[in-house]
Amino acid sequence: ETGVTQTPRHLVMGMTNKKSLKCEQHLGHNAMYWYKQSAKKPLELMFVYSLEERVENNSVPSRFSPECPNSSHLFLHLHTLQPEDSALYLCASSQEAVMYNEQFFGPGTRLTVL
Amino acid sequence: AQTVTQSQPEMSVQEAETVTLSCTYDTSESDYYLFWYKQPPSRQMILVIRQEAYKQQNATENRFSVNFQKAAKSFSLKISDSQLGDAAMYFCAYREETSGSRLTFGEGTQLTVNP
Repeated sequence: ETGVTQTPRHLVMGMTNKKSLKCEQHLGHNAMYWYKQSAKKPLELMFVYSLEERVENNSVPSRFSPECPNSSHLFLHLHTLQPEDSALYLCASSQEAVMYNEQFFGPGTRLTVL
Repeated sequence: AQTVTQSQPEMSVQEAETVTLSCTYDTSESDYYLFWYKQPPSRQMILVIRQEAYKQQNATENRFSVNFQKAAKSFSLKISDSQLGDAAMYFCAYREETSGSRLTFGEGTQLTVNP
């Protein structure tokens, strides 16, 4: 595997379910990110991790819970979601969490909440 | 708060022709980076080109170039000799030192390339 991978690619869940999204980067980067991409809206930054520590939480509801066990893996744990949480969830990584570093994106997980 | 505006939800171009995508942004910072990302139907976001605000020379990457007008806070993307593979959603994005980890994106422009 190369670059940034995300699993699953598609996920359908009910509002009472608990599921997790997984992201893995094979680039040796130290920073990882979760973004939400909704239709007709700009990408929204959700969380940033730098060296496995959360450095930014962009006012995300607590029903989204991130976890970064090491610098290569990032999870987004989901529970009691709402239909408006349906979106494409993108993971990204960069060498460092600084402005000049390029962010490399994964293919995303298409989430549908019923 | 910083904002990025892409006023063209959709654009189309004939193959081999040139197209320009517009982007404006709002900031009070003097040092920042601007990016154009491409998102094809496969959904994987790919960096096309980047520009540092302190550099006056416009960035160029093969058929892609930018017109960076700092005073006007404008950052347009020009695609020359358009190819079918250029068809995608294009996002303009902004990043500054004081919020080093935050990329602020525009709403995107859907580019269609007609054969």
